[in-house]
Amino acid sequence: EDQVTQSPEALRLQEGESSSLNCSYTVSGLRGLFWYRQDPGKGPEFLFTLYSAGEEKEKERLKATLTKKESFLHITAPKPEDSATYLCAVPRDDKIIFGKGTRLHILP
Amino acid sequence: EAGVAQSPRYKIIEKRQSVAFWCNPISGHATLYWYQQILGQGPKLLIQFQNNGVVDDSQLPKDRFSAERLKGVDSTLKIQPAKLEDSAVYLCASSFPQGLETYEQYFGPGTRLTVT
Repeated sequence: EDQVTQSPEALRLQEGESSSLNCSYTVSGLRGLFWYRQDPGKGPEFLFTLYSAGEEKEKERLKATLTKKESFLHITAPKPEDSATYLCAVPRDDKIIFGKGTRLHILP
Repeated sequence: EAGVAQSPRYKIIEKRQSVAFWCNPISGHATLYWYQQILGQGPKLLIQFQNNGVVDDSQLPKDRFSAERLKGVDSTLKIQPAKLEDSAVYLCASSFPQGLETYEQYFGPGTRLTVT
């Protein structure tokens, strides 16, 4: 069965303390991987699409990377406003499968 | 560009009652999705429309859930009768189908349903 697993489930960092979130997947014939950000009480907001292993994308303090088995979302010198749940998702047939997300909390 | 609109934002009902949610997608987006998100979980697809046709409803509990998208624009999701385990946030999303860009979905704020 296709699976998307995110780790850790939750992460607390001090402001400025860099770290990485992990998304591993078991989908055959991967056709892309997506990262979303979800704030409390809101729907997910699209961040990145990664199409192939080795690809990287950046947005402000976030950088997403992709290998053949997993993706990392690196957050550099985070600020409190980066606190959110980060979801990764992979396409399967005509739909996408979401992981459970990583709840990120940045302490000022 | 206006985003995906959903209403109501919150709904509290008793079990066995019925409830309906409304979604208006981004103008020009042919694909519309309804997701169920239980607390602490990622969104789970319930049904996907392409224009006014159903593409995938394999995870929709059809004995109690129904959805329609008349005229290929707005959509409604109904639950009748509701069960306690239906308590969740119901998210609507839309996308413009063009290769992998189909998966760049734009989500509405969701409707938080509490069944007591």
